[in-house]
Amino acid sequence: GQSLEQPSEVTAVEGAIVQINCTYQTSGFYGLSWYQQHDGGAPTFLSYNALDGLEETGRFSSFLSRSDSYGYLLLQELQMKDSASYFCAVREGGNNRKLIWGLGTSLAVNP
Amino acid sequence: DTGVSQDPRHKITKRGQNVTFRCDPISEHNRLYWYRQTLGQGPEFLTYFQNEAQLEKSRLLSDRFSAERPKGSFSTLEIQRTEQGDSAMYLCASSPGGPISYEQYFGPGTRLTVT
Repeated sequence: GQSLEQPSEVTAVEGAIVQINCTYQTSGFYGLSWYQQHDGGAPTFLSYNALDGLEETGRFSSFLSRSDSYGYLLLQELQMKDSASYFCAVREGGNNRKLIWGLGTSLAVNP
Repeated sequence: DTGVSQDPRHKITKRGQNVTFRCDPISEHNRLYWYRQTLGQGPEFLTYFQNEAQLEKSRLLSDRFSAERPKGSFSTLEIQRTEQGDSAMYLCASSPGGPISYEQYFGPGTRLTVT
């Protein structure tokens, strides 16, 4: 079967660093994406890893280990506006580029 | 604004009625996706178009659901004989073609409530 596991909730304080883990089991694997979604809003793209290693984009970084079927999203210098849900999603490959999504991690950033 | 747009933003309907939603993708994007999201869940893939061709439809989708993209631009999603379990946010996303088109751009969604 297909499954993506990530923690349901994470709490942190402003200025801190938080890591959101994602393990996956899918029929195919082409890459791992991360999306942010604020309450009532649409998902917005954060990062994508197709190869092992770390990708850095400003305060956000994402890591992938294909051999471990594992990735994480690292958020640094947390701000209140980072309070949102964060989803990992696997691109299964093939021509359709569809994404299989996890259940999401709700991040609360406190003052 | 040249982002993905969806219409309507909200729809309330009675069980058994048909509803149709529209999605206008970013103009140069040839790939279009429909997802459904319920509270506390991640988006669930429904169907995918490349230009006007519907290349994949989720096995979870019943025959009451149909989608079209007649000219390879906007798309419509129709739900016939709606059921209360159809209540959800329906999200449309688009992406450009090409080997590095991994980012999907989402519209604001249509929230459907079936009473």
